[in-house]
Parts: sequence; structure tokens; C-alpha cells
Amino acid sequence: GAVVSQHPSRVICKSGTSVKIECRSLDFQATTMFWYRQFPKQSLMLMATSNEGSKATYEQGVEKDKFLINHASLTLSTLTVTSAHPEDSSFYICSARKFLGQGYEQYFGPGTRLTVT
Amino acid sequence: AQSVTQLDSQVPVFEEAPVELRCNYSSSVSVYLFWYVQYPNQGLQLLLKYLSGSTLVKGINGFEAEFNKSQTSFHLRKPSVHISDTAEYFCAVSASYGGATNKLIFGTGTLLAVQP
Repeated sequence: GAVVSQHPSRVICKSGTSVKIECRSLDFQATTMFWYRQFPKQSLMLMATSNEGSKATYEQGVEKDKFLINHASLTLSTLTVTSAHPEDSSFYICSARKFLGQGYEQYFGPGTRLTVT
Repeated sequence: AQSVTQLDSQVPVFEEAPVELRCNYSSSVSVYLFWYVQYPNQGLQLLLKYLSGSTLVKGINGFEAEFNKSQTSFHLRKPSVHISDTAEYFCAVSASYGGATNKLIFGTGTLLAVQP
């Protein structure tokens, strides 16, 4: 199998606080994980590529100091939204990349609903 | 650079009727194409993918898609839908499958609304 979990599934925080979201590959090792953001009724926008043991690669327009990514092990990547504001409210989805012989395939987590009040 | 266009934001259809969800892409290089399904408040699940070979790809839940290079399309079809197929469907493209990054570029999604 290839199961990816995220924790928490939903979180509500006050403006100005920081929130950490975890992404775990439960039954495989993932040297690369991806973080996406999805606004209501919109598509997934890639925020950053998280590589185990090295710095994340952020997409253009994504503030690296605001969205801190740490890929500390082959099964865990974390996204920390620092000094959150209401406009950061969104659905955050991670995916983990698994090698399947022909190439790599991404397996997605169930997502984390962040609401900033 | 690659891009994906899903022209239909919503497709209403009656149960047991056939359905086609349209996807067109643009790319200056060879691409790999995917269809994902997202149920409410959940992550994405892979329906099917085209890497190479036969242009007709069969996936899970009775879905299939046909890669048409000349029309740069990868439309998703199902001959008879169920209420449980109601979900958001995303088409995605990647310029790399075996490569180091294989970023996925997603379309804007199509809501398939199956009515009894």
C-alpha cells in the first residue's frame, strides 16, 4: 500500500499564532513530499517541494518565512504556518512520492482544514 | 511549461447515464497525464494515468480516459455513473514521471453531480 496521513485534520487558531501540520507516509519512505494549498472550489496550487535532509524548494510567490517546511525523516514532513492571518485559512494537502519501478507516483494525504480567526 | 484546462466547472448528470469530463493540456514537451478524484473534505485519489503505450487507459471505479495527442486532450469517461461518483475530478499533467521532481500541474477541477 501507500498511505499518507495528515495531522490534524482540522485546526482553528487565532490570528498571530503559529500552526504546525504533519504529513506522514505510513508504509513507505518518501524522500520527497509536496505541499499544496486549495481554496474553496478551486484547484490545488503547489506551494513547495520538501526534500528529506535538505531545504525545501518553494514555488514562486510563496513566502518561505511564513510557510516553514521541515522534512526531518523519510516518513515525516511538517508545514508550519507562522503568524497566521485569516487569509491563510485554506485546505492544505500534502503528497508523498513513492518509486514504483517505472517512475515516481504521488500519494495524497486527506488534507488539513485551517481556519484562522 | 505545462498547463491544464478543464472547461466544465460542473457537470450534472442522471444516475446510470454516461458522462465525459473534458481535459485539454498544453506542453512543449512530452507529458504524462493523470485524473484524480476528490470527495468532500478529503485528499486526492488517483483514478488513472497515461504514461505511454495504448492511448485508452482504464482506471478504477469503471472510469477510462483516452489520450489524444493531436487534440492535446485526455477526456475522462464512464458509461454509467452512480450517485457515489459525485465528487470533484481533477486532471493533471507532469513533464516527468521517472525524473527527480515530477511536479503535478492541476486543472481547475470539474464537479460531477450525479442526480437520482
